[in-house]
Amino acid sequence: KAGVTQTPRYLIKTRGQQVTLSCSPISGHRSVSWYQQTPGQGLQFLFEYFSETQRNKGNFPGRFSGRQFSNSRSEMNVSTLELGDSALYLCASSSPEGSGANVLTFGAGSRLTVL
Amino acid sequence: DQQVKQNSPSLSVQEGRISILNCDYTNSMFDYFLWYKKYPAEGPTFLISISSIKDKNEDGRFTVFLNKSAKHLSLHIVPSQPGDSAVYFCAATFRGGTSYGKLTFGQGTILTVHP
Repeated sequence: KAGVTQTPRYLIKTRGQQVTLSCSPISGHRSVSWYQQTPGQGLQFLFEYFSETQRNKGNFPGRFSGRQFSNSRSEMNVSTLELGDSALYLCASSSPEGSGANVLTFGAGSRLTVL
Repeated sequence: DQQVKQNSPSLSVQEGRISILNCDYTNSMFDYFLWYKKYPAEGPTFLISISSIKDKNEDGRFTVFLNKSAKHLSLHIVPSQPGDSAVYFCAATFRGGTSYGKLTFGQGTILTVHP
């Protein structure tokens, strides 16, 4: 069974630009979460989507947004990039029902560098 | 406000010996705890979890202990192997409510197992 797939794996942008990252969850997983990992802050929760609806949101500015499609694939967008947005962006999926509800399966991440 | 803390940034252990990774939390609402392992250029991989109704959970070489009164959990790896060398993250959440997809992570501990 395929894992969580994130694209692109690496990208470089300049300040002020915007970026869109994509995530395909494990087949059958309908919940998709996004995290930002930086050396100073560790893994920080961005938001979670289920059935095309954002159910939970972390403490990030409005420049960070996301969406989920009917096939559970998700995208996140960061507008007006700042140097501090340089990070590894991780997507995770889970099956919201039963014992696996809180066990997230992560993708390999998208490494964003902002110059 | 760091609700989950891993106070040891790194740990070095000899192959075959026990590795003990520690984690403290401050939010008494957390009722489910997880450990993830992360290799460079990969996403975090789920290792083991424990519910707050238990004080111990074992899975092969990995055992997690939970001390609710001290708000402390630990991961024991016995015996340690060089392939266990990675960054280990402790995470916590509370089931149900509006915690969808949100895990609160510690900063991580770099484990190095020497042959």
